[in-house]
Amino acid sequence: DVKVTQSSRYLVKRTGEKVFLECVQDMDHENMFWYRQDPGLGLRLIYFSYDVKMKEKGDIPEGYSVSREKKERFSLILESASTNQTSMYLCASSLYYGTAGNTIYFGEGSWLTVV
Amino acid sequence: AQKVTQAQTEISVVEKEDVTLDCVYETRDTTYYLFWYKQPPSGELVFLIRRNSFDEQNEISGRYSWNFQKSTSSFNFTITASQVVDSAVYFCALAGGTSYGKLTFGQGTILTVHP
Repeated sequence: DVKVTQSSRYLVKRTGEKVFLECVQDMDHENMFWYRQDPGLGLRLIYFSYDVKMKEKGDIPEGYSVSREKKERFSLILESASTNQTSMYLCASSLYYGTAGNTIYFGEGSWLTVV
Repeated sequence: AQKVTQAQTEISVVEKEDVTLDCVYETRDTTYYLFWYKQPPSGELVFLIRRNSFDEQNEISGRYSWNFQKSTSSFNFTITASQVVDSAVYFCALAGGTSYGKLTFGQGTILTVHP
């Protein structure tokens, strides 16, 4: 089974802090994603990576950056956390770049509260 | 641009009732893929089904069935004889052929099945 692991389930951070959300997948997938989930808005794509050191902005990249130094690991970075970034963050991965029909596998999510 | 609409925000049923979750999509791609995911209270999104745009056959898997109609751009999901364990948030999602596997999600439908 594909396993996508997010390092922290629950985090509480202060406004202005730098926050790292870590994600690891164990199936040698090329693609990795960070989504944000908010009530009534569904999941929205923040960033997408299709290879090591390669990244692409999603629909809501403002206030976020990402890092992919190794194929299995994809980090989401909040440079200066703000209260409007309080949300559930979901990491995901899929097998091949360039193939729309890949199934995307999700981690359990990280609940971030910024106070 | 792609769009997925799940008009039903919340549905409440009693156990053993049948329930249908609606999903309507928009895309300019001629090749695309449709997905349904289940999100139980634990938070992880669980993959349920993937259909490609060339396959309009309905699918049944146990108590779950899916009705794909290109003419109305709909991909509806029916649970027969619902059970309390079916209580979850259900998401419909779309990956257009030019999206490189990035999913566009609907807003989600919260299904509550009462004993």
